[in-house]
Amino acid sequence: AQKITQTQPGMFVQEKEAVTLDCTYDTSDPSYGLFWYKQPSSGEMIFLIYQGSYDQQNATEGRYSLNFQKARKSANLVISASQLGDSAMYFCAMRTDYGGATNKLIFGTGTLLAVQP
Amino acid sequence: DAGVIQSPRHEVTEMGQEVTLRCKPISGHDYLFWYRQTMMRGLELLIYFNNNVPIDDSGMPEDRFSAKMPNASFSTLKIQPSEPRDSAVYFCASSFSTLGNTIYFGEGSWLTVV
Repeated sequence: AQKITQTQPGMFVQEKEAVTLDCTYDTSDPSYGLFWYKQPSSGEMIFLIYQGSYDQQNATEGRYSLNFQKARKSANLVISASQLGDSAMYFCAMRTDYGGATNKLIFGTGTLLAVQP
Repeated sequence: DAGVIQSPRHEVTEMGQEVTLRCKPISGHDYLFWYRQTMMRGLELLIYFNNNVPIDDSGMPEDRFSAKMPNASFSTLKIQPSEPRDSAVYFCASSFSTLGNTIYFGEGSWLTVV
């Protein structure tokens, strides 16, 4: 069975500090992708970053980076230099590719991040 | 570029009424997903389509829920009859079929059943 686990229901971080949001996953499919989405209080789902299971390097997108540790099945999101606008719910998600058929995207329960001035 | 477009954005309806939520995916995308988000259950996948064909509807809660995709540019999620426990935000999302492609979400339809 495929599963995404986010163990931090909520986190605080000081503005301009870095923060790591944890995500572990479970799948038996060798080909999969890991995504992080941000959901601010306005409700929309904003794509942040993607990591493929065969990617050799950790993904980076501006202030976001993904710490991918395949053996540990973890895909932690690192936000550098936190800003007040980073306060939001963050979801880790996984999509697998089995037999050439791309599968559904499943989500973790989310981590609520609060950035303090 | 137009993103995933959902309508209505907000709907308040009485218990027992039929509710129809609509979605226009991004042009060219061949996967379409319907998700439901509640405080209690988080983000749940209800159903998804590939090339307009339903692939997995195991997340549809019960027979009151149905979804269709008559063509590549339109999908509906219908609840009949609606119940207060159906109150949630319903998201539509779309993507290309290749694994690495981003799945884009609409802004959601906020449904309240009273």
